[in-house]
Amino acid sequence: KAGVTQTPRYLIKTRGQQVTLSCSPISGHRSVSWYQQTPGQGLQFLFEYFSETQRNKGNFPGRFSGRQFSNSRSEMNVSTLELGDSALYLCASSLSSSGGNEQFFGPGTRLTVL
Amino acid sequence: QQQVKQSPQSLIVQKGGISIINCAYENTAFDYFPWYQQFPGKGPALLIAIRPDVSEKKEGRFTISFNKSAKQFSLHIMDSQPGDSATYFCAASAGNQFYFGTGTSLTVIP
Repeated sequence: KAGVTQTPRYLIKTRGQQVTLSCSPISGHRSVSWYQQTPGQGLQFLFEYFSETQRNKGNFPGRFSGRQFSNSRSEMNVSTLELGDSALYLCASSLSSSGGNEQFFGPGTRLTVL
Repeated sequence: QQQVKQSPQSLIVQKGGISIINCAYENTAFDYFPWYQQFPGKGPALLIAIRPDVSEKKEGRFTISFNKSAKQFSLHIMDSQPGDSATYFCAASAGNQFYFGTGTSLTVIP
C-alpha cells in the first residue's frame, strides 16, 4: 500500500507570495491532518479534515487555510507569506476521525520564505 | 501553551545503554499517547503507543511507562543502538487532534 505523498518536496518563495501544498493520503484513509514543524516549536497542529469538512483547527492565523476533496486528497494554502512561515509542513492521514487511530505521516514539504 | 512537555531536548547514550525520554501533560481528556521516531528528511513514524488504562507497554526494546495520576509518560529504549539515533516525539490526543512534544534528539555512540 502506498504511503502518504506530499508535493512538492521543496519550495522557495518570497515574502508576500502565496503557496499551495498538496497531500495524498493512504488509500482508504479519510482523515487528513496538517502540521507545521520548526526546530524550536516541534510539531504544531494546523487543521484536520474528514470527509471534506474541517473538524479541528489549531491556533494559526487565517492566512493558513486548507481543503479536502472528495477523494480525500488535501491541500493547504498559505497566503501573504512571512519569513516565520519557513518550516517543514507535514501531512498525516488516518482511517477515521475518531480518537486513537494511528497517524501516518508523509515526508513533508520544506518551505523556505526569503 | 505547550500541551505536552518533553525532556530532555537532547540525549547522548553509549551503545547498549538505556535511553529514557520523559513527557508530561495537563489535559485529562487525552486518551491516546503515541511516540514517534523521525529520521532526517523523513516524516515521523509511529514507534509505540499506549492508552491510559495500562501502566506499561513493551514492544521489543521499546517500553512506554505511563503514570496516570502524575500525568506523565516516558519512553525507554533498552540496549540502545546507533541505528536508534533519531529525533523522538511524544504526543497526546483527544479525538483526532494530536499535541506533540518539542522532540528529543537521541545520539547513540558506538
